[in-house]
Formats: sequence, structure tokens, C-alpha cells
Amino acid sequence: QQPVQSPQAVILREGEDAVINCSSSKALYSVHWYRQKHGEAPVFLMILLKGGEQKGHEKISASFNEKKQQSSLYLTASQLSYSGTYFCGAPHTGGFKTIFGAGTRLFVKA
Amino acid sequence: NAGVTQTPKFQVLKTGQSMTLQCAQDMNHEYMSWYRQDPGMGLRLIHYSVGAGITDQGEVPNGYNVSRSTTEDFPLRLLSAAPSQTSVYFCASSYSGGQTSEQFFGPGTRLTVL
Repeated sequence: QQPVQSPQAVILREGEDAVINCSSSKALYSVHWYRQKHGEAPVFLMILLKGGEQKGHEKISASFNEKKQQSSLYLTASQLSYSGTYFCGAPHTGGFKTIFGAGTRLFVKA
Repeated sequence: NAGVTQTPKFQVLKTGQSMTLQCAQDMNHEYMSWYRQDPGMGLRLIHYSVGAGITDQGEVPNGYNVSRSTTEDFPLRLLSAAPSQTSVYFCASSYSGGQTSEQFFGPGTRLTVL
């Protein structure tokens, strides 16, 4: 099953914060986050491997709660360059099938 | 390194035609995969491969065939194109696949089936 992402879309002003959530009905062993700008390919942001682990990428960080089967992506002091669609991906237990959520569209305006 | 390359960038087909989307990577990655992207549906896995000679189905494999004769190449074949296969197709590769390995995506092929 596809991970469920929320919200579907969000509009921010520059400097505002946002949270994107990703949840799964199946057990999660890791969560992958990618960002895709309009007309481009998805680009890797980070992988979270352990329950409760937090990682960061510039002013973007994420947490992973293995027990709750969910992950959250935190965008702090958003910049215009953060605009795009964010996808979470969950590899299956076998490890080789990564299933992505439907994506969250983020638009940052000046 | 060129990374992951895909050809063609754009393609228009008529219903019933067949074609092959090409994907190649020069990073010596074992794992390669094909996704299709439709509005509101995210990235859906079509087929994947964990090494030369080994392929398996993803979420939406019907109407598509793959083979992996070399580490570098992973072509996707549309057997008899249908309008429902109009989409953007992305090929991706990673060092080992799965839990710990990031995927590198190609630039995509935009396919329209009339």
C-alpha cells in the first residue's frame, strides 16, 4: 500500500515553517524523502533508518517514529527554492521495492 | 559521470504501437527501477531489478516488460500502447536498493498515447 501524505498541498510565505507528514499502514523500517521541482526529476533529501531518528538537510529536518509508522518532514524558515513536490518513500520489508506516497505540493511565495 | 540517462525525452505513439524506453547508468549500481508519474498519483513502481538477469514486478506492471542483460542498461518495453499509459516515466538506480540506499533518478520520458 502507498504511504499516505498530508497535507496534499500547502502555500507558504517566505520565512514561514511547514510540516509534511507521511504515514503507513504497514510496518516501516526506513523512510526516504525526495523533492521534485516542476518539470524535473525527483532528488534525494534524506533517509531515516531508526525509530525516533532525526536528520537534517540545510533547514529541512525529519523525524521517524517507527512505532507509530510515521515520519514528518520539517521545513524551517522556508525559502523560495523550497517550492516543489515532496515525496516520502517506504521500502518494503524485503528491501527492494520502494513505494512512494502521492506527494505534497509546497509553494513558497515572496 | 553522466548518472542516469533516459531516451527519448518525448514520444508520441498511436494506440497499439510498441516501443522501448531506454535507461542507462554509469555508476555501477546494482538496483534499477522504473516509475510512472501521473497527476495526483505520485510515483508508482512498474518494475525493478536487483542485478543483471534479475527483475521483478512493482505496483503497476501490466502492459510493460523489462529485461536486464547488463548492469548498465534497463529498458522498458510497452507491448501495445494504450491511452492509459500516457504518463511521465522515470528510471532510477541505487547502489544496493532498499532500506539504506538513495535512488538517483533520470530526467524522465514524457509519453503521449493517442
